[in-house]
Amino acid sequence: QVQLQESGPGLVKPSETLSLTCTVSGGSISSYYWNWIRQPPGKGLEWIGDIYYSGSTNYNPSLKSRVTISVDTSKNQISLKLTSVTAADTAVYYCARSEVGGSYSYWGQGTLVTVSS
Amino acid sequence: QSVLTQPPSVSGAPGQRVTISCTGSSSNIGGGYDVHWYQQLPGTAPKLLISGNSNRPSGVPDRFSGSKSGTSASLAITGLQAEDEADYYCQSYDSRLSGSVFGGGTKLTVL
Repeated sequence: QVQLQESGPGLVKPSETLSLTCTVSGGSISSYYWNWIRQPPGKGLEWIGDIYYSGSTNYNPSLKSRVTISVDTSKNQISLKLTSVTAADTAVYYCARSEVGGSYSYWGQGTLVTVSS
Repeated sequence: QSVLTQPPSVSGAPGQRVTISCTGSSSNIGGGYDVHWYQQLPGTAPKLLISGNSNRPSGVPDRFSGSKSGTSASLAITGLQAEDEADYYCQSYDSRLSGSVFGGGTKLTVL
């Protein structure tokens, strides 16, 4: 059974960089797209971007200038970096695996990141 | 404001049928892109409920069904149960944004 686990600091200061890692277990990263999706408290889901195991990426245009997603196939990990954060970036951040057709079949439990001084 | 439009809330009594709409445009649903539905119980990650407009993953009860027509899609839940009380999201691909888009979510209340 594929499992995804997000990890990283729960508190980030304004203007700093948010860094998260998603570790995939029970399966290989190969041959799939891996996504970061976030959900501000009490609000809906927002797609941040995705990465193919080969390293090609797609980003949400609204975040593109601040986002970098990378993959480490040797560690079965996907990483997210979001620069120049503000309070508006406070959210639960999820990693998820895309299937052919674009649905998200496997999700991590999510990790809450709060942006505050 | 979400690219895909869902009603903020719907409600129904146990045993009843409810539907949740998801309205898009020609750059997403109307452009032939698949619609997927997710159920999010309080405090948990979203769970895939319907993929590819109308396909139920293994383990999803057949009380849940999806359909798509033109620039809209719908999720139907029959035989409503208390455990169905959750937030529901639709998702598709948008060619103008070159990425995935979600609806704003619909809160289902079982009366």
